[in-house]
Amino acid sequence: GAGVSQSPSNKVTEKGKDVELRCDPISGHTALYWYRQSLGQGLEFLIYFQGNSAPDKSGLPSDRFSAERTGGSVSTLTIQRTQQEDSAVYLCASRSLGATYEQYFGPGTRLTVT
Amino acid sequence: GIQVEQSPPDLILQEGANSTLRCNFSDSVNNLQWFHQNPWGQLINLFYIPSGTKQNGRLSATTVATERYSLLYISSSQTTDSGVYFCAVLSNFGNEKLTFGTGTRLTIIP
Repeated sequence: GAGVSQSPSNKVTEKGKDVELRCDPISGHTALYWYRQSLGQGLEFLIYFQGNSAPDKSGLPSDRFSAERTGGSVSTLTIQRTQQEDSAVYLCASRSLGATYEQYFGPGTRLTVT
Repeated sequence: GIQVEQSPPDLILQEGANSTLRCNFSDSVNNLQWFHQNPWGQLINLFYIPSGTKQNGRLSATTVATERYSLLYISSSQTTDSGVYFCAVLSNFGNEKLTFGTGTRLTIIP
């Protein structure tokens, strides 16, 4: 597609449930990132995928968070046993391998844990 | 890790005015991007500018990498310029994550 797409755009879930968030990067982009934006913490990095290399998971806040990227394209971020502090906007970004490090962001998924 | 500070945190201007937003960073960078977050939360790429000067219509940006700051200029502001402007950097050292500043909230009054 023309840009990074994410689904769902909004998700409301009960505390303790698991959620899956999806990201479709720009076609041909080999690098994919997840960030989240919350009121208390601003915009923060979660995880980074690049080709077949092991992902950089250094930003994941707890072991309840995991992500995978299938076939080098679509990525799913999974949050298990959601907590109220997980409420945030989850943003996905992608970039191509090349001369620049410019990242392009999707519209985000707004997650509300009740 | 690298620190990013933006100023001012809030800016209220009359339509037609010019503005300058500043981003200071604490270490050498491979990447510096300016974003505009629209009312729907989408981050719109404005500039990729690890060094030098770029212009796009009423907007321009300058990064002085040796002095570790970047400036975003908005001329002849319009109400559609309202929103939050973020600076984000990628450190020369370490991983690929963008580190964001806390943003400048710009409000343009008609």
